[in-house]
Amino acid sequence: EAQVTQNPRYLITVTGKKLTVTCSQNMNHEYMSWYRQDPGLGLRQIYYSMNVEVTDKGDVPEGYKVSRKEKRNFPLILESPSPNQTSLYFCASSFSSNQPQHFGDGTRLSIL
Amino acid sequence: GENVEQHPSTLSVQEGDSAVIKCTYSDSASNYFPWYKQELGKRPQLIIDIRSNVGEKKDQRIAVTLNKTAKHFSLHITETQPEDSAVYFCAASINTGGFKTIFGAGTRLFVKA
Repeated sequence: EAQVTQNPRYLITVTGKKLTVTCSQNMNHEYMSWYRQDPGLGLRQIYYSMNVEVTDKGDVPEGYKVSRKEKRNFPLILESPSPNQTSLYFCASSFSSNQPQHFGDGTRLSIL
Repeated sequence: GENVEQHPSTLSVQEGDSAVIKCTYSDSASNYFPWYKQELGKRPQLIIDIRSNVGEKKDQRIAVTLNKTAKHFSLHITETQPEDSAVYFCAASINTGGFKTIFGAGTRLFVKA
């Protein structure tokens, strides 16, 4: 089954404790993105990747890191999480930036 | 910077009526405009999309129109049903200085039975 898989689905953690949210897709997509969703603000792009070893900033990259060492995986790293990063996070993938994106089920992060 | 504005933020219609959601974008180089539907607690899913070389596209009860001159595109849902109740997001693919995707803030649609 074609899918985008994120882990974990839920996480409660404390300020400053490094965390990684994994994202994997099995559709051989080249374009992958991370978004955060906050009430009234829609989906805001954090980082995106056009292909392996090619990443670029979206609209809200501060406090986040990503890597794209393999085509299928695109982890989101919060080196020193802060409470303002409490949000619902979605990973998405598509063949290119001009193609429909397939979203994962989301990861709800709470930073205390 | 690049921006996508979406209106209205909330829309309530009677079952069987039509619903229209409007978006405007700022980057004239944008060339791909998808619409996503997000049901409560679920992931966004594509419902229809349109490219900059097309003015209108229809899929059963759903249609999208694009006015490149005005930098404006709209989603039209006819004969609405209660299962159309969800949050709808428009988006624009920005191809200047990168390949970002900018989403609108969303429209919460309520279809009353």
